[in-house]
Amino acid sequence: LAKTTQPISMDSYEGQEVNITCSHNNIATNDYITWYQQFPSQGPRFIIQGYKTKVTNEVASLFIPADRKSSTLSLPRVSLSDTAVYYCLVGRGPTGGGNKLTFGTGTQLKVEL
Amino acid sequence: DAGITQSPRHKVTETGTPVTLRCHQTENHRYMYWYRQDPGHGLRLIHYSYGVKDTDKGEVSDGYSVSRSKTEDFLLTLESATSSQTSVYFCAIGEMKDANNQPQHFGDGTRLSIL
Repeated sequence: LAKTTQPISMDSYEGQEVNITCSHNNIATNDYITWYQQFPSQGPRFIIQGYKTKVTNEVASLFIPADRKSSTLSLPRVSLSDTAVYYCLVGRGPTGGGNKLTFGTGTQLKVEL
Repeated sequence: DAGITQSPRHKVTETGTPVTLRCHQTENHRYMYWYRQDPGHGLRLIHYSYGVKDTDKGEVSDGYSVSRSKTEDFLLTLESATSSQTSVYFCAIGEMKDANNQPQHFGDGTRLSIL
């Protein structure tokens, strides 16, 4: 299973764009990159998933370079409610059957006024 | 939110007692997972299931067993609980769609304390 490395914590202010980078040097061909968000006392919640290039949805963008050894989660104009732990995961694709995901310790994002 | 119910939500028990946690889903997803979350470790996979009666070990499976007799239910059992198994346990479900990887959906967790 591919190991991921991401910053332990980040601080930001409301209205700013936040970029969290994750390193996954031994990502496999069939691996997808997925980001989850977790609030205290809740289970992780899916944010975005990608395989290569750029993916955008209503809450975030995911940038993946050609070599796929890293990825960057971009949160536009964060608010206090975005304060949470963000996990970057790399998991097996279709040939691996179900997703055996490896969670790291995540990045604690703190957003202030 | 995905229909995942974990029970109980909180439990306090004593060392050496058996404990069973239940995960129930209404999404008819094929894959189900049990994780534990501890400070400094993030979430770690205990066991997972890829179908009824089909289960496999995760990275921290020692001291745990699972069963899946129906698609909707995945049980995690601690045969003889130890204090090191005090943790927050999360159940997750997942599916493959059109041969593509689908994200997992998580329950709200069970906080287990073993004294």
